[in-house]
Amino acid sequence: QSVLTQPPSASGTPGQRVTISCAGSTSNIGGNTVNWYQQPPGTAPRLLIYSNSQRPSGVPDRFSGSKSGTSASLAISGLQSEDEADYYCAAWDDSLNGPVFGGGTKLTVL
Amino acid sequence: VQLVESGGGVVQTGGSLRLSCAASGFTFSGHGMHWVRQAPGKGLEHLAFIGYDGSFKYYADSVKGRFTISRDNSKNTMYLQMNSLRPEDTAVYYCARWDSGANDHSGYYLYWGQGTLVAVSS
Repeated sequence: QSVLTQPPSASGTPGQRVTISCAGSTSNIGGNTVNWYQQPPGTAPRLLIYSNSQRPSGVPDRFSGSKSGTSASLAISGLQSEDEADYYCAAWDDSLNGPVFGGGTKLTVL
Repeated sequence: VQLVESGGGVVQTGGSLRLSCAASGFTFSGHGMHWVRQAPGKGLEHLAFIGYDGSFKYYADSVKGRFTISRDNSKNTMYLQMNSLRPEDTAVYYCARWDSGANDHSGYYLYWGQGTLVAVSS
């Protein structure tokens, strides 16, 4: 049981816009920033979004993040086949005094 | 920046392994470092972290008392000593560099290693 809650799966067709949600609590998302990681099959995770909505160098602007209260969302616009991967949200948890992850969302591009 | 894990393998229940994470391309002594694992077909699980100078350590409840994190800044290497291993410890183990944001709790993992597989047989 992950501390942060994500839908197990999401899907979309090429060119479509999809969103992935991440629900937490006041001890994690409510009081700290949210990061998103992308993990294509068989590879290590890659930072996609940090500090709620910032993109590291090299991440296309098709990817965007937002946070409101104790929830966060990742949006992917202009969906492409290479976006097919697992996506994880993460945040610091003040009660556990460490980082926590969501259970991950498997994105399928139909 | 490169992080390279090593030391994984197959071990019997109750056995021990020591993982290493060799860092290069950045000032190792300037960053906190973390271990994250991923069981087969499962999500990411944070295990432990160590402060930049080794003075602060944190462990997830799942490994507290069995795993020990350490670092040698002179060798640019972090370690994870794993004792009393259980079948549920079977996973790919990643090391990751912690980059702080506005404060330490606003950090993120910009760099990850490729992972090393630990398999615990019963």
